[in-house]
Amino acid sequence: SQTIHQWPATLVQPVGSPLSLECTVEGTSNPNLYWYRQAAGRGLQLLFYSVGIGQISSEVPQNLSASRPQDRQFILSSKKLLLSDSGFYLCAWSLGTAGNTIYFGEGSWLTVV
Amino acid sequence: TQLLEQSPQFLSIQEGENLTVYCNSSSVFSSLQWYRQEPGEGPVLLVTVVTGGEVKKLKRLTFQFGDARKDSSLHITAAQPGDTGLYLCADSGNTGKLIFGQGTTLQVKP
Repeated sequence: SQTIHQWPATLVQPVGSPLSLECTVEGTSNPNLYWYRQAAGRGLQLLFYSVGIGQISSEVPQNLSASRPQDRQFILSSKKLLLSDSGFYLCAWSLGTAGNTIYFGEGSWLTVV
Repeated sequence: TQLLEQSPQFLSIQEGENLTVYCNSSSVFSSLQWYRQEPGEGPVLLVTVVTGGEVKKLKRLTFQFGDARKDSSLHITAAQPGDTGLYLCADSGNTGKLIFGQGTTLQVKP
């Protein structure tokens, strides 16, 4: 069966420090991969979307970047964190296109202080 | 850019009551999905609806898709504390990128 894992689960980082969140999917090939950010109790904002290795679509201009070095690995990064980068970050995967279910990871809580 | 509006934003009810939450889109849905999310976890898919006028039932949850495929409702009968959570509607569009509404936070008090 397919599984998705992301880490770390929680981190507190000072303003100006770098960030790296990692996500891996197991049990499937060539998934679509996503990074979402969620403010407390609110909806999810799509940050990055990838349909294959090295193919990244940025949905909103921001202080973050994403990379997909391997088929089932998706990394969210920042060189210098801002206070506004705080939030709950979710990695997700799906197969195919419209109408297919998207499966989410456990999430990572980021607090920038 | 498609916008999904959900209402109400917050709902607090007593166990046993019925409730309805709504999702409206600025454009026709490609494929409407409803998710429930508990604090600190990722959203979990409840249902996918595609056909205008479609009604789906999942135990005490009834999902309706408007005829024009621009609106949807989720009705919960005899709510239970276990129904507490954030309810999100989403559209996958033609590319599979899932766009979410802001969600309805439901609190069911015992």
